[in-house]
Amino acid sequence: GQNIDQPTEMTATEGAIVQINCTYQTSGFNGLFWYQQHAGEAPTFLSYNVLDGLEEKGRFSSFLSRSKGYSYLLLKELQMKDSASYLCAALDSNYQLIWGAGTKLIIKP
Amino acid sequence: DGGITQSPKYLFRKEGQNVTLSCEQNLNHDAMYWYRQDPGQGLRLIYYSQIVNDFQKGDIAEGYSVSREKKESFPLTVTSAQKNPTAFYLCASSSGTSDFSYEQYFGPGTRLTVT
Repeated sequence: GQNIDQPTEMTATEGAIVQINCTYQTSGFNGLFWYQQHAGEAPTFLSYNVLDGLEEKGRFSSFLSRSKGYSYLLLKELQMKDSASYLCAALDSNYQLIWGAGTKLIIKP
Repeated sequence: DGGITQSPKYLFRKEGQNVTLSCEQNLNHDAMYWYRQDPGQGLRLIYYSQIVNDFQKGDIAEGYSVSREKKESFPLTVTSAQKNPTAFYLCASSSGTSDFSYEQYFGPGTRLTVT
């Protein structure tokens, strides 16, 4: 079966760095997405990785290892507005997104 | 500005009634999707459509129906057969195979409460 695993909840301090991990098992693989979702709102796109390695975009970076079925989202210089859920989603062989349950990130002052 | 609209934002219905959720996009995207999200959970795919007049069942299609008569519109009907319809419903679209971009763009969502 297809499966995406990520931690349910994480807590971090304002100004710090946090890494949110995601492991995936899918029938075929065409890339890995990260989305941010604030409570009661729609998900918004953060990153897309299809090749191994680290992609940096401002305070956010995303890493992919295809051989390990593993990705992480790295958030630096945390701000209170980063409190949200972070959704990992893998694009399978049919180009359908398989979604994880999301990681709720709580930022403390 | 291009985007996806869903209406209404909040919807209340009595048990046993069918209800239709609207989703419109002006992004000229071929593919459209309906997801359901329950508290503390991820997105579960209800139906998707990759082209006008064609749609496919997702993981939890029972009790739901859709139509895709126009490229811009993909309404979802929650029927009385859906056992637990109270949820947050999200519509999304992507350009899909037309330019090999599979990023999904989401509407603001409709929160449906059935009592």
